[in-house]
Parts: sequence; C-alpha cells; structure tokens
Amino acid sequence: GAVVSQHPSRVICKSGTSVKIECRSLDFQATTMFWYRQFPKQSLMLMATSNEGSKATYEQGVEKDKFLINHASLTLSTLTVTSAHPEDSSFYICSVGGVSSYEQYFGPGTRLTVT
Amino acid sequence: AQSVTQLGSHVSVSEGALVLLRCNYSSSVPPYLFWYVQYPNQGLQLLLKYTSAATLVKGINGFEAEFKKSETSFHLTKPSAHMSDAAEYFCAVRSGGGADGLTFGKGTHLIIQP
Repeated sequence: GAVVSQHPSRVICKSGTSVKIECRSLDFQATTMFWYRQFPKQSLMLMATSNEGSKATYEQGVEKDKFLINHASLTLSTLTVTSAHPEDSSFYICSVGGVSSYEQYFGPGTRLTVT
Repeated sequence: AQSVTQLGSHVSVSEGALVLLRCNYSSSVPPYLFWYVQYPNQGLQLLLKYTSAATLVKGINGFEAEFKKSETSFHLTKPSAHMSDAAEYFCAVRSGGGADGLTFGKGTHLIIQP
C-alpha cells in the first residue's frame, strides 16, 4: 500500500496562532487525500476531501475558513488551522486514496495542542 | 447515507481465546467495508477489506471477517488472541469509489487478559 507521512507529529501552539500540517504521499500519486480529526478516545471524523488542483470539499459543520486545505501537487496536501483555539486540540490524520483504489492509507497523525 | 455501529466500546478476552468484534453497517448502495487497527498515538493500519468479492475476508495478523448482507454485518474474528492484539479497532464503510471518505464506527477497545 501507499506510504503516507505527516509533519509535524506533534505541535503545541498558543491560542490565536495558525498551524500548518503537511501530509505527503511518499510512493503514490494521490489525486485525492482526506483529512480526519480524532478527539481523545473517540472515532475519526472526516473533515474534508482534498482534491489535487481544485478546491477541497468540506463535510457539514467544518469551517472551511478555519481549516484551510491546499493540495497543490499529487504528493502533498496541507491543512492549516487558522486562529487556533483550545477546542481545536485534537489528533489530525490524513489518508490517501486514488479514484481506483478501494482502501485508504493513513498517515501516522499529528497531535495538535492549543494552549 | 451510510453509518457504522460497533457494539461494545470495550471487549476483554483472555490470551488464547476467541476474539469477536461486532460491526453493523447501513448503506444505500453495496458497501466497501474495512477494519482498521490503531495503537496508541499512531495512525490506522488496515487489517482487511471487503470489496464485493469473497464474503469471507482474511486479513493480517490472523484476523478475518465475514460479510453478511442479510444481517448487514461485518464482524471481525481471530481464533486465538495474543497480547499484542490489544489496541483500538475501527470498522469503516465507504459507499462509493475511491473518491469518497470513510465513515467510521466509534471503535472497540480490545483488552487481552493474561
């Protein structure tokens, strides 16, 4: 399967600042990437679908102006949490899936803590 | 719309005993179904998947799952639990092709008693 990396693995930031999380597909050209968030001891919730070269598709209830997604190349998608607040603290996980691929391959996740 | 229900947020079994983790789904179209495992502070690892081929699917680490359309179930089993199986397990469904995100169940925490 595809190898997916995320950077950073952990980040602590102050309230009001912005944080960028990178998701890279290391051995697979991904036309589509997905961003999920996971609160402690809870399941993963799909936030948005990142499409290479076009605008991301956001799930209902996810603020697109707060969670900026850029998918400028077939191997990189970024999620920027703007004006972060403590309630944005979570585990953010990306995944890679092609149009013809049944499964998704997940990155190791990024732990965001907003103080 | 699609959804996944995992019965039992925690399941405890003895080492060497049968593992059974339950998953029921709802989907308006034939689904693709997945089981993932997550270890603490890590991403998800695919255990196995159902993609409309064989209804009994074998995965990694000795796990398998059976798709039962009449019961809308996709339960995960392993004949003999190992201590290393202790982790969080997620069942997920996708109702479309590769361009759709996954809908996850709430997860089941598997505890292995020595």
